Amino acid sequence: KAGVTQTPRYLIKTRGQQVTLSCSPISGHRSVSWYQQTPGQGLQFLFEYFSETQRNKGNFPGRFSGRQFSNSRSEMNVSTLELGDSALYLCASSRTWDEQYFGPGTRLTVT
Amino acid sequence: GESVGLHLPTLSVQEGDNSIINCAYSNSASDYFIWYKQESGKGPQFIIDIRSNMDKRQGQRVTVLLNKTVKHLSLQIAATQPGDSAVYFCAEKPNTGNQFYFGTGTSLTVIP
Repeated sequence: KAGVTQTPRYLIKTRGQQVTLSCSPISGHRSVSWYQQTPGQGLQFLFEYFSETQRNKGNFPGRFSGRQFSNSRSEMNVSTLELGDSALYLCASSRTWDEQYFGPGTRLTVT
Repeated sequence: GESVGLHLPTLSVQEGDNSIINCAYSNSASDYFIWYKQESGKGPQFIIDIRSNMDKRQGQRVTVLLNKTVKHLSLQIAATQPGDSAVYFCAEKPNTGNQFYFGTGTSLTVIP
């Protein structure tokens, strides 16, 4: 069974730009969660989607948004990028709420 | 907010020895826990999970122990191998909501 895939793997953007990251969950998984990982803050929860609905949201500004499609694929968008948004963005999928499996991540660098 | 902390940020063990990685959590309402392994440049890899109605669960070379009384979780790796070198995270999920809270991680180095 294929794992969680994320695209692109690496991205370099300039301050003020926006970015869209994509995540394809494991087949049959309906829950997709997004996390930001930085050396200083560790893994921080962004939001979680289940059946196209956002079920949970972390403490991030409104510049961070997401959505989930009917095939469970998910995208997250960051608008008006700041230097501090440089991080590894991880997507994780699960059937319902447990056994969360992560993708390889998207490394975003904001210059 | 939630607080999931690790006792030791780094751990070095000799190849073949057993490793024990500890994790403290603060929310007594947490009912599900996962241990992850993250190698450099990769996403966290699911190792083993445990629910709060259990106090021990074993996998291949790994054992997770849960002590709800003191809100402590540990991961034991038997016969540690060089390939076990990585950062290990614990994650907890409270019984309300679907959000996981992660510890800061312990870096395990296996000395050949």
